[in-house]
Amino acid sequence: DQQVKQNSPSLSVQEGRISILNCDYTNSMFDYFLWYKKYPAEGPTFLISISSIKDKNEDGRFTVFLNKSAKHLSLHIVPSQPGDSAVYFCAADTQGAQKLVFGQGTRLTINP
Amino acid sequence: DSGVTQTPKHLITATGQRVTLRCSPRSGDLSVYWYQQSLDQGLQFLIQYYNGEERAKGNILERFSAQQFPDLHSELNLSSLELGDSALYFCASSVTGGSTDTQYFGPGTRLTVL
Repeated sequence: DQQVKQNSPSLSVQEGRISILNCDYTNSMFDYFLWYKKYPAEGPTFLISISSIKDKNEDGRFTVFLNKSAKHLSLHIVPSQPGDSAVYFCAADTQGAQKLVFGQGTRLTINP
Repeated sequence: DSGVTQTPKHLITATGQRVTLRCSPRSGDLSVYWYQQSLDQGLQFLIQYYNGEERAKGNILERFSAQQFPDLHSELNLSSLELGDSALYFCASSVTGGSTDTQYFGPGTRLTVL
């Protein structure tokens, strides 16, 4: 039972354009959502998070949007840079349980 | 560098064997988490420890066990290994293990069971 789904295994974007990564979840008890970035041979690195009481959180070039009614979140990266090429995982948590549930990841490639 | 260290980086073993993976959390972090990433799968939460005590349990098999020692390092023991246990095993740590506490991941241990 995949509670957090990233339906696009890969995404290719031109440098300078916007990258939009999507994530859907099924468990309505999830109330905290995170995005992690992972480079090869490294562990995931925390990128940005959002609580269910908000619908948007911004940090520099990264913005996360949460649509609770659709059980959907997205990560926008603008402008995209070559260093953004990595695998991006969305994750969700319930009531501070700290049992993060991860999606399968989306491989983002930024083309020069 | 997240400050979380994991040893060994790679481990190759045979079915039926037992292995121990080790994790040292970031300085000051009291909570340790273990995750498994199999081929084409997202990270699966296995177990969390806080200051030596088990705090949360995920889909951890009975053949697997973990502990956190007084110096806060943690070990994940995998026994009666099967081919399907081949995966990347990540350790993460956080300051208190509480709500919205950021988890910092180590580089992982790649386990191959032949």
